[in-house]
Amino acid sequence: KAGVTQTPRYLIKTRGQQVTLSCSPISGHRSVSWYQQTPGQGLQFLFEYFSETQRNKGNFPGRFSGRQFSNSRSEMNVSTLELGDSALYLCASSRLGADTQYFGPGTRLTVL
Amino acid sequence: DQQVKQNSPSLSVQEGRISILNCDYTNSMFDYFLWYKKYPAEGPTFLISISSIKDKNEDGRFTVFLNKSAKHLSLHIVPSQPGDSAVYFCAASENNNQGGKLIFGQGTELSVKP
Repeated sequence: KAGVTQTPRYLIKTRGQQVTLSCSPISGHRSVSWYQQTPGQGLQFLFEYFSETQRNKGNFPGRFSGRQFSNSRSEMNVSTLELGDSALYLCASSRLGADTQYFGPGTRLTVL
Repeated sequence: DQQVKQNSPSLSVQEGRISILNCDYTNSMFDYFLWYKKYPAEGPTFLISISSIKDKNEDGRFTVFLNKSAKHLSLHIVPSQPGDSAVYFCAASENNNQGGKLIFGQGTELSVKP
């Protein structure tokens, strides 16, 4: 079975721009969660989508948003980028959400 | 408020010996716990999990122990191998309507020396 895939793997943007990251879950998985990893804050939960609905949300500003499509693929969007948004963004999928999550390789976002 | 804590940022062990990584949590509603292994610039790789109805789960060289009264879990790796060198994260979730939200500890960097 193919694992979780994320595109792009690397991205460089400038302050004020917006960015969209994509995640394709493992086949049959309906839950997709997003996490941000930074050296200072560690791995932090952004939000979770299940059956095209946002089911959980972490403590991030409204500039961070996401969506899920009918095939369970998910995108996250960050608008008005700030330097502090530079991070590794990780996507994880699971069958139902409240079970084992499997992570993709991540997207490394650098904001200049 | 850090609900999941890994108090040891690093651990060094000799090849063939036991590695013990520790994790403490504060939220008594957590009922599912996981350990992940991570290399730089890669996504975490799932290792082993344990439900709160158990106190031990074993998978090959990896064993996770859960002490609910102490709100403490540990990962034992026996025997340790140089390929085990990585950052290990413990994570916890509340299955009660919390869906796919994992709370992670800060990680422990394990170095296994030949």
